[in-house]
Amino acid sequence: EVQLVESGGGLVQPGGSLRLSCAASGFNFSTYYMNWVRQAPGKGLEWVSYISSSSRTIAYADSVRGRFTISRDYAKNSLYLQMNSLRAEDTAVYHCARSSHDALDYWGQGTLVTVSS
Amino acid sequence: SYELTQPPSVSVSPGQTASITCSGDELGDKYVSWYLQKPGQSPVLVIYQDTKWPSGIPERFSGSNSGKTATLTISGTQAMDEADYYCQAWDSSTAVFGGGTKLTVL
Repeated sequence: EVQLVESGGGLVQPGGSLRLSCAASGFNFSTYYMNWVRQAPGKGLEWVSYISSSSRTIAYADSVRGRFTISRDYAKNSLYLQMNSLRAEDTAVYHCARSSHDALDYWGQGTLVTVSS
Repeated sequence: SYELTQPPSVSVSPGQTASITCSGDELGDKYVSWYLQKPGQSPVLVIYQDTKWPSGIPERFSGSNSGKTATLTISGTQAMDEADYYCQAWDSSTAVFGGGTKLTVL
């Protein structure tokens, strides 16, 4: 069974940093593109970033480029999102999601990031 | 930047057919996926590559995509189908989501 479990969310002050993790299991992690998608409270889905299966290709949404860094650890079957210079508008539930056939076919339950003083 | 437009809300009676549209420039040239999300839950993929079903998704969900509009159709809508629905496509290595449509079954 495919499982994606996020962790690392919490309350952080504006300008602060946070590192999110996503532990993957039940599939061959090294062969799939992986994504981060966020959802602000009461709002819709917003794609944040993806990383290719080899880590050679990475893309970011304009809203986070230069502040967020996506990475993955094949030995730990884990996906990460390093978030720096956080702003109030980054407050959201952050989901990791697996890519397959141009879709995001499995999603984690998400971890809440709150940016507030 | 690329945009996908969905109606904010759609209402349907139980047993009837619901249609949710998603529009964008040259959308028919891209693959569209559809997700449903119930309150407090993570999104679930219901249609990928315009018309295909992931395993476990009932065939009352169907999709189409042509020109500027993709459509998710739910036949024989059930109360359990009440949820927010999002379309999604890729443009220039960026995933784009529609704003979401709240489907009410009443």
